[in-house]
Amino acid sequence: GAVVSQHPSWVICKSGTSVKIECRSLDFQATTMFWYRQFPKQSLMLMATSNEGSKATYEQGVEKDKFLINHASLTLSTLTVTSAHPEDSSFYICSAPRTDPYSYNEQFFGPGTRLTVL
Amino acid sequence: GDSVTQMEGPVTLSEEAFLTINCTYTATGYPSLFWYVQYPGEGLQLLLKATKADDKGSNKGFEATYRKETTSFHLEKGSVQVSDSAVYFCALSVLPNPPYQAGTALIFGKGTTLSVSS
Repeated sequence: GAVVSQHPSWVICKSGTSVKIECRSLDFQATTMFWYRQFPKQSLMLMATSNEGSKATYEQGVEKDKFLINHASLTLSTLTVTSAHPEDSSFYICSAPRTDPYSYNEQFFGPGTRLTVL
Repeated sequence: GDSVTQMEGPVTLSEEAFLTINCTYTATGYPSLFWYVQYPGEGLQLLLKATKADDKGSNKGFEATYRKETTSFHLEKGSVQVSDSAVYFCALSVLPNPPYQAGTALIFGKGTTLSVSS
């Protein structure tokens, strides 16, 4: 089946630095990808929709200048956490919908990236 | 708006016990329903899905039936194993014109943690 990868799987950084997380669809093209944030023992919170060739759509309350999203190609979306602070520490997950007909919007999820900001 | 309500956890069972995790939904349009499973430290994996009323999704001994009359999609397994310990998410996708996928984000329930002991 289709696979979505994320890199890195975990990252530790100092407060004030920027961190880039990559999400790749490995064997299919994804014009749309989604970025979620998950706090411990909680559900996934949709942060933004990444659109190939156009600007990302951010959910209410998500700072677009802090969480920069770039959908550079049909197989790659990146999330950059700028000037990271300890409160940005979280588990970030991306997903991409299946593109074949009659897929009913089934999504493939990446394995997640654990970000820890010191 | 569209939403998913999932039973609160944690659910603690002994091996070979029967499992039910309740999920109900509110949706307009033509909802498709999914169960995803998340093992510790990992992303989400599709467990099963159902795309129309009375459909039964099944996988790895788990089953769920799409009940339009009760707007439910309860997850069941007849005999759980220790390896089933994970967090289970019920999710909803609503597409305006089925079966074509519109690439929208899924709507998730809060997740139910299952812990199975031997």
